[in-house]
Amino acid sequence: DAKTTQPPSMDCAEGRAANLPCNHSTISGNEYVYWYRQIHSQGPQYIIHGLKNNETNEMASLIITEDRKSSTLILPHATLRDTAVYYCNGIGANSKLTFGKGITLSVRP
Amino acid sequence: NAGVTQTPKFQVLKTGQSMTLQCAQDMNHNSMYWYRQDPGMGLRLIYYSASEGTTDKGEVPNGYNVSRLNKREFSLRLESAAPSQTSVYFCASNLSGYSPLHFGNGTRLTVT
Repeated sequence: DAKTTQPPSMDCAEGRAANLPCNHSTISGNEYVYWYRQIHSQGPQYIIHGLKNNETNEMASLIITEDRKSSTLILPHATLRDTAVYYCNGIGANSKLTFGKGITLSVRP
Repeated sequence: NAGVTQTPKFQVLKTGQSMTLQCAQDMNHNSMYWYRQDPGMGLRLIYYSASEGTTDKGEVPNGYNVSRLNKREFSLRLESAAPSQTSVYFCASNLSGYSPLHFGNGTRLTVT
């Protein structure tokens, strides 16, 4: 698995975009960038993933740099319910799917 | 559609007791995983099963055993519980290594 680095925490105002960064400088060519989030003490929830191109779904957008060494998860209009721990992972065919400590996003009213 | 179901939700054990945590998925996934989560530690992989009939160690396998009973079920056994195994245990599954993981809601285990 690629080693990922995320800041421990960040906050944003409700209704504004939340941009969550992740460094994965050791990611290999066949590893996807995955994002999950964990709200309170529930099981983690899949958000989005991508390989090279930027991706968007109903939950978020994923921007991956051209060299694939970093990515940004964008929540376009953060709500209080988006307060959670967000995990960034590099996942390949033989990955053991490990999770780091993630970044704690606090959305303030 | 239940997804990933874990039982029990809560359990208290005394040191030295044994127990089995159950996990079942109804999504016809090939791979299943057991994680533990301690405060401030993120999730750590205990064991995984890439396909029915196979199991492999993760980051923290000591003190645990697993059984992939069939394609749906993957159990985690603590033979002799220790206070250091107090944690929240999550089971997850996916179609294959590249696919998104689906998690259960966890088993909160306390060993006294």
